[in-house]
Amino acid sequence: GDSVTQMEGPVTLSEEAFLTINCTYTATGYPSLFWYVQYPGEGLQLLLKATKADDKGSNKGFEATYRKETTSFHLEKGSVQVSDSAVYFCALIHNTGRRALTFGSGTRLQVQP
Amino acid sequence: NAGVTQTPKFQVLKTGQSMTLQCAQDMNHNSMYWYRQDPGMGLRLIYYSASEGTTDKGEVPNGYNVSRLNKREFSLRLESAAPSQTSVYFCASSIQEDSNQPQHFGDGTRLSIL
Repeated sequence: GDSVTQMEGPVTLSEEAFLTINCTYTATGYPSLFWYVQYPGEGLQLLLKATKADDKGSNKGFEATYRKETTSFHLEKGSVQVSDSAVYFCALIHNTGRRALTFGSGTRLQVQP
Repeated sequence: NAGVTQTPKFQVLKTGQSMTLQCAQDMNHNSMYWYRQDPGMGLRLIYYSASEGTTDKGEVPNGYNVSRLNKREFSLRLESAAPSQTSVYFCASSIQEDSNQPQHFGDGTRLSIL
């Protein structure tokens, strides 16, 4: 079955540091890929998405590129802020069959001033 | 701009009690979902409803039932709560069964079973 693997957290960075959160997936066919963010006490919000190989999703300074050859969708940001502290989830959804998200376990990011 | 609304936000139950978690969306979405979130496990799909009048099991359906009351509302019922069902429950909706469209999430219901 489908699965998504994320790097273990928490990830602790100083403000303005470079961020990478690794995400790899296992799935048949060509799924769409997503990053969701969860701030404390809130639900998940879509951060960015990519629907086909080599697509780059971007939003709020975050970027991720759909790499089919390495089955990866790593999240990056050039300069993190304290307000970026949250839990980040990588997820995929198939283009056929059941259209529900398969999530990774989440990575907690803590940004210190 | 309510989006997806879940009630209640918090609930404590005793083992064996029953409860219904409510979810409503005002975005005219066709598809709705129930997930549970447990530490270190991400979100797992319990049940989903691709469209009004249909429901299907997800990854972890045992111990739960759902009702798609109308296009707006999708409820999750625990008939006899067990401590293993202690979790945070999220409802989500999407415009239709189209993988390119994002799911919108509610703020969650934190449920504790004693």
